[in-house]
Amino acid sequence: GEDVEQSLFLSVREGDSSVINCTYTDSSSTYLYWYKQEPGAGLQLLTYIFSNMDMKQDQRLTVLLNKKDKHLSLRIADTQTGDSAIYFCAERDRGSTLGRLYFGRGTQLTVWP
Amino acid sequence: KAGVTQTPRYLIKTRGQQVTLSCSPISGHRSVSWYQQTPGQGLQFLFEYFSETQRNKGNFPGRFSGRQFSNSRSEMNVSTLELGDSALYLCASSLGGQGNEQFFGPGTRLTVL
Repeated sequence: GEDVEQSLFLSVREGDSSVINCTYTDSSSTYLYWYKQEPGAGLQLLTYIFSNMDMKQDQRLTVLLNKKDKHLSLRIADTQTGDSAIYFCAERDRGSTLGRLYFGRGTQLTVWP
Repeated sequence: KAGVTQTPRYLIKTRGQQVTLSCSPISGHRSVSWYQQTPGQGLQFLFEYFSETQRNKGNFPGRFSGRQFSNSRSEMNVSTLELGDSALYLCASSLGGQGNEQFFGPGTRLTVL
C-alpha cells in the first residue's frame, strides 16, 4: 500500500462536474479515502469507501471504485469556486490494524467562475 | 464535539534546536497518528499511537520521537533540527481499529532557519 497515484492538476468551470482520479497498488486495501486541503489548513475528510463497495454517494460527491483496475474516482457535481483546493486520495491496507494511511501527491482543483 | 487541536500552530526554530509539538485528539478517540507534509515528499507517515503504545512507525530517523499520554493526548519531538525538517506536521485521531475515520488537526507549521 505505498503507491497511490493522482494527476496533479484539474481545472473546471463553475457549475460543471469535476472528476478526480486515483490509482492504488495494494490489492489488500480495505478503505479508501478522499481528503480536501485548503491553503494553510489541515486535511478535511470528505468521504471514504470500503473495498467491498463499488460506489458511494454523499450529496454532491460520488465515489467510484474499480477494484479490478485499482482505480478510485471522486466526482463533484455542480462544482463551486469554494471547491478549489487540493484533493488527496489515501488507502489503508489490510495489514494495518490501526490507522496508517498512504496518500497520493494530491490533485490541485481550480474552479473558474 | 471539539475537533483535533494542535499546538502551537506556527513555530520557528534554528538548526540544532529541538522542538515538541502537541496534539489533542477528539474526545473518546484513542488512536493518534502523525504525518509530515512537505512540497517535495508530500504526506509521509511518522508514527501511530494507541493506548499509550507506539503501534507503527514510518521511515524517519531516530531524531523523530513521540509519545501518547493516558488521556490520549500525544506529543512528538524532533531533536537536532535540520533545515529539511521544515514542514507542516499533521496529527490525526480516530477511535482505533479497522475502518475508523481519521480526522486531522490544522497542523503545526515548523520553519527551521
